[in-house]
Amino acid sequence: SAVISQKPSRDICQRGTSLTIQCQVDSQVTMMFWYRQQPGQSLTLIATANQGSEATYESGFVIDKFPISRPNLTFSTLTVSNMSPEDSSIYLCSAALRAGYNEQFFGPGTRLTVL
Amino acid sequence: AQTVTQSQPEMSVQEAETVTLSCTYDTSESDYYLFWYKQPPSRQMILVIRQEAYKQQNATENRFSVNFQKAAKSFSLKISDSQLGDAAMYFCAYRRNTGNQFYFGTGTSLTVIP
Repeated sequence: SAVISQKPSRDICQRGTSLTIQCQVDSQVTMMFWYRQQPGQSLTLIATANQGSEATYESGFVIDKFPISRPNLTFSTLTVSNMSPEDSSIYLCSAALRAGYNEQFFGPGTRLTVL
Repeated sequence: AQTVTQSQPEMSVQEAETVTLSCTYDTSESDYYLFWYKQPPSRQMILVIRQEAYKQQNATENRFSVNFQKAAKSFSLKISDSQLGDAAMYFCAYRRNTGNQFYFGTGTSLTVIP
C-alpha cells in the first residue's frame, strides 16, 4: 500500500493568484494522478503526472492552467494558475504502485476556495 | 466513453441493519475492474472492495459484499450490520483492464441512524 499526504490541506486565495499543492507518497510509485472534486460532485481526472516527462492531461484541462511537476517517484506538485472562483474545489492526489495496478491510493485532498 | 451511474444521491440505514447501494456502468470492454470507495468527512478516500470482471464470484470483505451482474452492467454494494463509522460518501468506480484512469460515479451519501 501507499500513504499519501498533501499540503496545504486547505487554502483561501484571491482571484488571479496561483497556488501550488504538494503531494508526497511514503513509497516509490510508478503512477501519480491529480483529480478535482467540485462541491457535491464526483472526481474528475485532471492529469497523470509522469516522472521525468510532461504530464498527460485529460480533455478540458491544459498545462498552462494546471502545470504539474513530478521530479521523482515519491513527489508531485499541481499548480492552479490564475485562479477564479470556478476553481474552488477539492484537489486530490492519488498513486498506483505500478501501471495497470488495480488499486489507487488517495491523499486527503486540498480544499481550495477562491474569492 | 465509460460512464458510471449512481442513481441514489442519498441513502440512510438504521444501525445494525443492511443497506444496498446501486451502481451501473456502461462499457464495451469485456475485461475491467470495478471498485467501491468510501470517502468519510475527513475526505480520505478508502478502498472498500473491488471486483475483477472476469471473476463470476462476487467479492466479499467482512461486512461488505457486492452483487456483480456483468450482463446487466450492475455492481451494487451491500453493507451488513451497518455501523456508525460506515457513514460516508460512497463512490463506485470503473477501470479498464489496460488503462490507469478511474471513472467515478457521482456518489451516494450514506447516513447511519443510531
